[in-house]
Amino acid sequence: QTVVTQEPSFSVSPGGTVTLTCGLSSGSVSTSYYPSWYQQTPGQAPRTLIYSTNTRSSGVPDRFSGSILGNKAALTITGAQADDESDYYCVLYMGSGISVFGTGTKVTVL
Amino acid sequence: EVQLVQSGAEVKKPGESLKISCKGSGYSFTSYWIGWVRQMPGKGLEWMGIIYPGDSDARYSPSFQGQVTISADKSISTAYLLWSSLKASDTAIYYCARGKLGFDYWGQGTLVTVSS
Repeated sequence: QTVVTQEPSFSVSPGGTVTLTCGLSSGSVSTSYYPSWYQQTPGQAPRTLIYSTNTRSSGVPDRFSGSILGNKAALTITGAQADDESDYYCVLYMGSGISVFGTGTKVTVL
Repeated sequence: EVQLVQSGAEVKKPGESLKISCKGSGYSFTSYWIGWVRQMPGKGLEWMGIIYPGDSDARYSPSFQGQVTISADKSISTAYLLWSSLKASDTAIYYCARGKLGFDYWGQGTLVTVSS
């Protein structure tokens, strides 16, 4: 089965910028994979940040943005804040109604 | 307001059956796919499968095909996740969420504990 890869962890300074990526064990990610991004803090349900590569979900601040960078999907946090410290997951659509979550990235703001 | 409200926590023994639910409101339930996501203790999110309540078309991750059944009752705007014989390794939080090409709204999660 296809593995969707993410960096295990990232550290960013308050006010800084960090870019998380979402790749495939085999092949390149394009908009045809409809990449989406989710934020999860401990003990909480996930929250949708981005869908269809770069569309922000309702109420999501514009410091979160999605894109395709090279052969991967990317989530950029610009001007990181303390409450951005969370786990971040991507999802890629594989076709025939099936999607796969990425392995997740733990972001620390310090 | 779109809401997905899940059933409460369950404690079951290995071999028992279980059905948990996810009730949608604030939108046309039959027009949007509903998916299920597993999160085992201390682990990441896993995409299990989705269902289109309009016609009960269900799709499963290969990892979960044959292990669970996803169903829906459009008359009461509710989707279900069913196990016929639970295992200890089914212990997890299960989330429902709306959508096919990405999820937009999420339920609050249902904790399922399977222990002898």
